[in-house]
Order: sequence, then structure tokens, then C-alpha cells
Amino acid sequence: KNQVEQSPQSLIILEGKNCTLQCNYTVSPFSNLRWYKQDTGRGPVSLTIMTFSENTKSNGRYTATLDADTKQSSLHITASQLSDSASYICVVSRNSGYSTLTFGKGTMLLVSP
Amino acid sequence: DSGVTQTPKHLITATGQRVTLRCSPRSGDLSVYWYQQSLDQGLQFLIQYYNGEERAKGNILERFSAQQFPDLHSELNLSSLELGDSALYFCASSPALAGGRRDTGELFFGEGSRLTVL
Repeated sequence: KNQVEQSPQSLIILEGKNCTLQCNYTVSPFSNLRWYKQDTGRGPVSLTIMTFSENTKSNGRYTATLDADTKQSSLHITASQLSDSASYICVVSRNSGYSTLTFGKGTMLLVSP
Repeated sequence: DSGVTQTPKHLITATGQRVTLRCSPRSGDLSVYWYQQSLDQGLQFLIQYYNGEERAKGNILERFSAQQFPDLHSELNLSSLELGDSALYFCASSPALAGGRRDTGELFFGEGSRLTVL
């Protein structure tokens, strides 16, 4: 069964600290993995997209890693800011003729002053 | 601004009623996806269209239907509404089919339509 599991479910960190969010997937065949940031009540916004051959991709203070062998990804946030408080969603795309995207349930991050 | 436009932004209606949510994809995007997000829940895939044709179905109830028109805008119709249908409904668009040969991974979400059923 194609699944995407994210951990932790929620996380509270102090402003300025770093954190790492995890994503494990069983989706196959794999096409790409995306991380989205969703502010409360808003639409998700793409942070990074990685294909099979990419193992690291950065977007400002956000760095995503991908290990296609172990089917794991992580999103590292450096020097967190209050505006980083949001849900972070991992999404995996299957490589098929037509397909759906498999969404994780997200990690809710709260950055505290 | 993602370029995806959803209307209405907010909608309050009563049980048993029918509503239509509208989505205009980014200019040139052929794929449209609909998602439901209930309170404190993840995004649940409902249905996907590509260039006017239905391509994939997720957990969409029989009371719900959708279509994509020749100008590529899409509508999601929700009928016989129940309290549990209260949620945020997101539309997303992309240039190509997710996972297809031309998939660049780009998926752009609208700001959602918040439906409240009383």
C-alpha cells in the first residue's frame, strides 16, 4: 500500500533553534518527493521538490534530504523564525501513466519566542 | 500568489443543500486536483482532471461530483450536505500529470474555499 508517514506529529521549538522533520514512504514506483509548508487556513506552498537522483536540496533556511534506498526524507529548518510556525507536509508522487499524489498528515511546528 | 483562484473563499449553508466550488487553474496548467481538509486533518485527495478528462479518483463521496470545462476551469459540486462536509476545499493545478513523463513536480494550490454546514 502506498503510504507516507511523517514524524513527529507536532513539535515546539524556541525561536532561533534548528529542527528536523522526518518523512518515510512506501510509495512505488517513486517519481518525486515534495515538501510543502501550510500556514493555518491557507493553501500549501512548495518548499522543495526532489527526484530520485537528488539527495539534498535547499531553499533558504530549509534543507531537504532524500534517501531513495531507505525511502526516507527529512526537512531541516535552520535558525527558526516565528513565521516558520506552520504544518509541513511531505508528498510523494508515483511514477506511472497517471497517478495520485500521496500526502503525509503533516508535522505541526510551533516556533515559540 | 500561486495563480490558482478559488471562489467563494467562505460559504455557509445548511444541511441538505447543494453548493458549487469553482477553481481557475494557473494559466497554461492542464491538471486540476481537488482536496478536502477537515479540521486538524491532512489533505484528502478527491479527484483529478487532466485537460478536461477525469484521470484519478480518491475518497470522493457519491454526493460529490466535479468536472473540468474546455477553458480548463473546474467545479466541485457538493450535494445533500451533511455537517461532516464542513472543511476547507483546496484546488491545485500543475502543468502535467503527477508522475507522468512531463511531471516537473510543480503543484500550485489555491487559498481554498471554507465550507461551513450548519
